[in-house]
Amino acid sequence: EVQLVESGGGLVQPGGSLRLSCAASGFTFSDHYMDWVRQAPGKGLEWVGRARNKGNRYTTEYAASVKGRFTVSREDSKNSVFLQMKSLKTEDTAVYYCVRVGPSGYDAFDSWGQGTMVTVAS
Amino acid sequence: DIQMTQSPSSLSASVGDRVTITCRASQTISVYLNWYQQKPGKAPNLLIFGASSLQSGVPSKFSGSGFGTDFTLTISSLQPEDSATYYCQQSYRTPHTFGQGTKLKIK
Repeated sequence: EVQLVESGGGLVQPGGSLRLSCAASGFTFSDHYMDWVRQAPGKGLEWVGRARNKGNRYTTEYAASVKGRFTVSREDSKNSVFLQMKSLKTEDTAVYYCVRVGPSGYDAFDSWGQGTMVTVAS
Repeated sequence: DIQMTQSPSSLSASVGDRVTITCRASQTISVYLNWYQQKPGKAPNLLIFGASSLQSGVPSKFSGSGFGTDFTLTISSLQPEDSATYYCQQSYRTPHTFGQGTKLKIK
């Protein structure tokens, strides 16, 4: 069974930093792209960023709203993906989901973690 | 960025009804369109990928169609457990944008 478990969320002041982790199990982690998606309270879904696999040279991509502030990384030996967030803004307040990009060839998110809440407030 | 527009934003239907949700892309995305269901307090769940392929384990009451810029999600034989918010998402090009969601209420 595929499992994604996020951790690291919490309350942080504007301008602060936070690192989210996602531990994966139940599948060959190294084969898959891994993404982060967020959802502000009462709002819709927003794609945040991607970490590609070794075959695609571990390249990353980001939404414009977080580019230069957030960094996605992965450690295949630990079946984990991370989201380093810096210079946090109040508008970054959201539930952050770790998602697996499925093998369909259509880049669909076929598995989601339970989410971890990040609150940026003074 | 590719903009995704869903309609309606909300709808109410009765048990046993069939409903259709529409998603329009601001530019052609071939069949790179996915649908998700999200229940309150839960993570989204993939229903349909590639515009019309049913994700494993998803009931066949859910179906999708479309190509290019116009897509639909149809849910037949509605049951109370289908009450949720439904999102479309384009995966043709990053950023992989979502529609704003359609909240389905079962009367």
